[in-house]
Amino acid sequence: DAGVTQSPTHLIKTRGQQVTLRCSPISGHKSVSWYQQVLGQGPQFIFQYYEKEERGRGNFPDRFSARQFPNYSSELNVNALLLGDSALYLCASSLAPTDSYEQYFGPGTRLTVT
Amino acid sequence: QQQVKQSPQSLIVQKGGISIINCAYENTAFDYFPWYQQFPGKGPALLIAIRPDVSEKKEGRFTISFNKSAKQFSLHIMDSQPGDSATYFCASSGGSYIPTFGRGTSLIVHP
Repeated sequence: DAGVTQSPTHLIKTRGQQVTLRCSPISGHKSVSWYQQVLGQGPQFIFQYYEKEERGRGNFPDRFSARQFPNYSSELNVNALLLGDSALYLCASSLAPTDSYEQYFGPGTRLTVT
Repeated sequence: QQQVKQSPQSLIVQKGGISIINCAYENTAFDYFPWYQQFPGKGPALLIAIRPDVSEKKEGRFTISFNKSAKQFSLHIMDSQPGDSATYFCASSGGSYIPTFGRGTSLIVHP
């Protein structure tokens, strides 16, 4: 079975631009969470979605937004990119939010902002 | 505010040795303490986890020791192998089920 998939693998953007990252959860998983992992640090929680509704939000500015589609895939959008947004963006899926204890991570999208 | 403090930042161990990584948490509402293993180019993968009702959990060569009164927990890797070379993250979570991660420990096991 396919694991969590993310696209693109790598992305280079310029300050001020906007970016959209995509995630497909494991089949049967209805909850998707997004994390930002800055080099040398642990993942930081950005959003959690379940059944197309936002169930949790981390301490990130409003430039960050996300949505979940009927097929449970998800997109993370970041507007007005800053140099500090350069990071590995991870998507994780679980059966439901209460199963986030056992969530499965994708390989991530490496975003570089120049 | 770092709610989960992890040490050391890096660790070098000889093959066959014991690797020990320590974490301390602040939030007494945390009730789930997982460890994740991350290889380069991959996302973190759940390795082993413990709840505060037990003081130790062992799975193969990996053991978590938990000290609730000290709010500390540690990962022990017995008989460390070169294939164990990776970054290890401790995490803690509570009612929100969302884990708070430590900064990570880069483990290198020399053959």
